[in-house]
Amino acid sequence: QQPVQSPQAVILREGEDAVINCSSSKALYSVHWYRQKHGEAPVFLMILLKGGEQKGHEKISASFNEKKQQSSLYLTASQLSYSGTYFCGTELRGGSEKLVFGKGTKLTVNP
Amino acid sequence: GAGVSQSPSNKVTEKGKDVELRCDPISGHTALYWYRQSLGQGLEFLIYFQGNSAPDKSGLPSDRFSAERTGGSVSTLTIQRTQQEDSAVYLCASRPLGASSPLHFGNGTRLTVT
Repeated sequence: QQPVQSPQAVILREGEDAVINCSSSKALYSVHWYRQKHGEAPVFLMILLKGGEQKGHEKISASFNEKKQQSSLYLTASQLSYSGTYFCGTELRGGSEKLVFGKGTKLTVNP
Repeated sequence: GAGVSQSPSNKVTEKGKDVELRCDPISGHTALYWYRQSLGQGLEFLIYFQGNSAPDKSGLPSDRFSAERTGGSVSTLTIQRTQQEDSAVYLCASRPLGASSPLHFGNGTRLTVT
């Protein structure tokens, strides 16, 4: 059930954009996105529930393509504070609340 | 309000000893999750509870691992006969009932088995 994230790591300069992808081999009910900074707990960014749904959080937004069982996280005009590891978590269709995370994408934003 | 509380924050134990890790979820949160994060790795699902029941225990690595939740609140993760490969950060998270509810994570327990 574990979703697949890509890329594994991204290095950006401040102000550049990035896209992180999350895909599943099974039909999805929801996709969660979290960011974890070194030595800290993961922090919630957003949840997507419906196919085609897009949500935004400042300059961070995400989309959910239900048919393709994929979600993408978009980081625009990146800031130093965006550095961290981004995890997508997925719940499968069928009513279970089991939430399984991908292996993460490490994002480094340099000045 | 208070967040998810985990104790101890750090635990060093000798190989072969048993350990108990505790999680106090946010009051009113019905679902509770345990994850394991090895150094530099992802969030490995262990188990989740809905109320006091554990619908899915499939992530527990071996029969040395067990977990329980009482009163729909506090949860304990027990590891028996610890091994060095059990060394990791154990994260607990809770969330209220509802499909659109996010997980709230505790700060974790860092377990070191020597």
